Amino acid sequence: DTGVSQNPRHKITKRGQNVTFRCDPISEHNRLYWYRQTLGQGPEFLTYFQNEAQLEKSRLLSDRFSAERPKGSFSTLEIQRTEQGDSAMYLCASSQQGGNYEQYFGPGTRLTVT
Amino acid sequence: AQSVTQLGSHVSVSEGALVLLRCNYSSSVPPYLFWYVQYPNQGLQLLLKYTTGATLVKGINGFEAEFKKSETSFHLTKPSAHMSDAAEYFCAVEPFGNEKLTFGTGTRLTIIP
Repeated sequence: DTGVSQNPRHKITKRGQNVTFRCDPISEHNRLYWYRQTLGQGPEFLTYFQNEAQLEKSRLLSDRFSAERPKGSFSTLEIQRTEQGDSAMYLCASSQQGGNYEQYFGPGTRLTVT
Repeated sequence: AQSVTQLGSHVSVSEGALVLLRCNYSSSVPPYLFWYVQYPNQGLQLLLKYTTGATLVKGINGFEAEFKKSETSFHLTKPSAHMSDAAEYFCAVEPFGNEKLTFGTGTRLTIIP
C-alpha cells in the first residue's frame, strides 16, 4: 500500500492556460475526493466520486473545473482558462465505503497562476 | 449545514507543556469528528477521530480529544509538547451519512524550546 499519490506536486502556469492534475487513490478504496486549500485556510470540499460516478459537486467547482474518474481508478482534475484566484493547493483523498470513515490524503498539487 | 470554529489561529507552548487546541462545531445531525495534522508542503495526516462510543479518543503521537455534545466541542490535547509537534492542526466534521469533510481554518502550533 503506497498511499494516495498526486502528480505533479507543483505546477506554475500563466493565466488563461489549462492545467490537469492526477490523483491515484489507495488501490482498494472506491471513494475519491478533491479538496482545495488556499493559504491560511482549511481545505474546502470540491467534489467526490464513488467508483466512476461523481456524486457531489461543490458550488466552488465552477464550469471551468471538471473532474473525472474513468473506470473508478485514478482521477483527473482539469482547470480551464486558469485565473490567479485558482492558485491553491489541490488535495486528493480516498476512502473505502463502509470502512473506518477515514479519508487518506495525498501530498497535494500546488498550483501557482502567474 | 455544518461548520467548524477553531479558536486561536496561532498557539505557542513551551516544550514539555500542555497542548490545548480548541474546536467547536455545529451540525444538524450527529457528527463524526476528526483532527488532522499538516506539516509544511505536505498533505493531511489523521491524528484521531470520534464516530460513536467512548467520548474520549486517543490518537497517534500522544494526542487525545474529548467529544462533549453539550458544549459542541472536540478539543485536542497532549500532556507534554515535543518539538516535532510543531505543525498546522485542522479540526473537521462529517455529518453522519455525508462523506464530505468540513474543516476549520486551522491552528498553527509553535513549540518554544
